[in-house]
Amino acid sequence: DGGITQSPKYLFRKEGQNVTLSCEQNLNHDAMYWYRQDPGQGLRLIYYSQIVNDFQKGDIAEGYSVSREKKESFPLTVTSAQKNPTAFYLCASSIEPEIYGYTFGSGTRLTVV
Amino acid sequence: AQSVTQLDSQVPVFEEAPVELRCNYSSSVSVYLFWYVQYPNQGLQLLLKYLSGSTLVESINGFEAEFNKSQTSFHLRKPSVHISDTAEYFCAVSAPNAGGTSYGKLTFGQGTILTVHP
Repeated sequence: DGGITQSPKYLFRKEGQNVTLSCEQNLNHDAMYWYRQDPGQGLRLIYYSQIVNDFQKGDIAEGYSVSREKKESFPLTVTSAQKNPTAFYLCASSIEPEIYGYTFGSGTRLTVV
Repeated sequence: AQSVTQLDSQVPVFEEAPVELRCNYSSSVSVYLFWYVQYPNQGLQLLLKYLSGSTLVESINGFEAEFNKSQTSFHLRKPSVHISDTAEYFCAVSAPNAGGTSYGKLTFGQGTILTVHP
């Protein structure tokens, strides 16, 4: 079945360490997105990519980095510069968002201790 | 730029009661509208969408939403809720980019937590 896979589901890291969240899709979607979700704040866009080897900053890109070397993969690195990294992270992909919307992964809950 | 406002952060209801989750959007151009549902510790799932045509759209599990262009609203309703409808619901809008050449990213509302009590 086609879908979008995020791993791991739960992730614990020590403060000051970089951590990379995985996002893989086999839907042949061109566009991919990373959102951060905090209670009461909805979804905030971190980075998005509309094509391989290209990506743009979203609304809260500081302290994060991404790469898009393959169409199927869009990993997110949470760096030590991110002041408050503990959150639920959602990856999504789309082919024509205005018609089909987004397909979301099941999320990664990152806890920094 | 477009924006989405979900007027209620939390909506508690009793089982079998009707419910309405309110969504208003702001855009100077034509938009496409979506409702997503999120169960605890899961991703978002598309519930229904409005692209064009009939202003009333329905989902397979009894939800419906009505597009009202004059009031710039897209409220979600269900005549009789179940315990299993307890979840967070997000309204989203897709509008053309600054150049008007394409539609792109979705803009999401803050979410409404629906809690159905027995």
